[in-house]
Amino acid sequence: QVQLQESGPGLVKPSETLSLTCTVSGDSMTNYYWSWIRQPPGKGLEWIGYIYYSGTTNYNPSLKSRVTISIDTSKNQFSLKLSSVTAADTAMYYCARHLNSGWYYWGQGALVTVSS
Amino acid sequence: QSALTQPRSVSGSPGQSVTISCTGTSSDVGGYNYVSWYQQHPGKAPKLMIYDVTKRPSGVPDRFSGSESGNTASLTISGLQAEDEADYYCCSYGGSYNFRVFGGGTKLTVL
Repeated sequence: QVQLQESGPGLVKPSETLSLTCTVSGDSMTNYYWSWIRQPPGKGLEWIGYIYYSGTTNYNPSLKSRVTISIDTSKNQFSLKLSSVTAADTAMYYCARHLNSGWYYWGQGALVTVSS
Repeated sequence: QSALTQPRSVSGSPGQSVTISCTGTSSDVGGYNYVSWYQQHPGKAPKLMIYDVTKRPSGVPDRFSGSESGNTASLTISGLQAEDEADYYCCSYGGSYNFRVFGGGTKLTVL
């Protein structure tokens, strides 16, 4: 059974960098696409970006200047960095694995609050 | 404002059928057969219900079905059950520039 688990600080100060890691268990990361998706409290979903196991990335144009997604297949982990955060970046952050056009496996989510 | 348009809410009685629409453009929904649908209960992660417009992942009841016509995709839930009450989101491939775009979500109430 594939499982994903997000980890990282739950509180980040404005203008600093948000960093989260997703640890994958139950399967190899090879041959899959891996995404980060976020959801502000009480609002809808927003795709942040994806990384292929080979390292190829693609980011949401609205976040592209601030986002970096990296992968370490030896540790079965991929990571998200979002720089220069503001209160608008406060959200539940999910990691997920692609199944064709959808995301089948999801982490439980990590709530990140941006506040001084 | 979301890229894809969904009704804010829909409702139905147990046993009935409901359809949730998801309207985009020829650059996303209408241009590709890459629409997916997610069910989200409060405090839970989204669950994939439909992918590639019409396909159901393993474990999803066949009461859930997807379709598409022009720039509008639809999720139909037949034989409504109390546990179907949740938020539903559509998502479409938006081309290489805007890889994935979501709808704003629809709250389904089972009366």
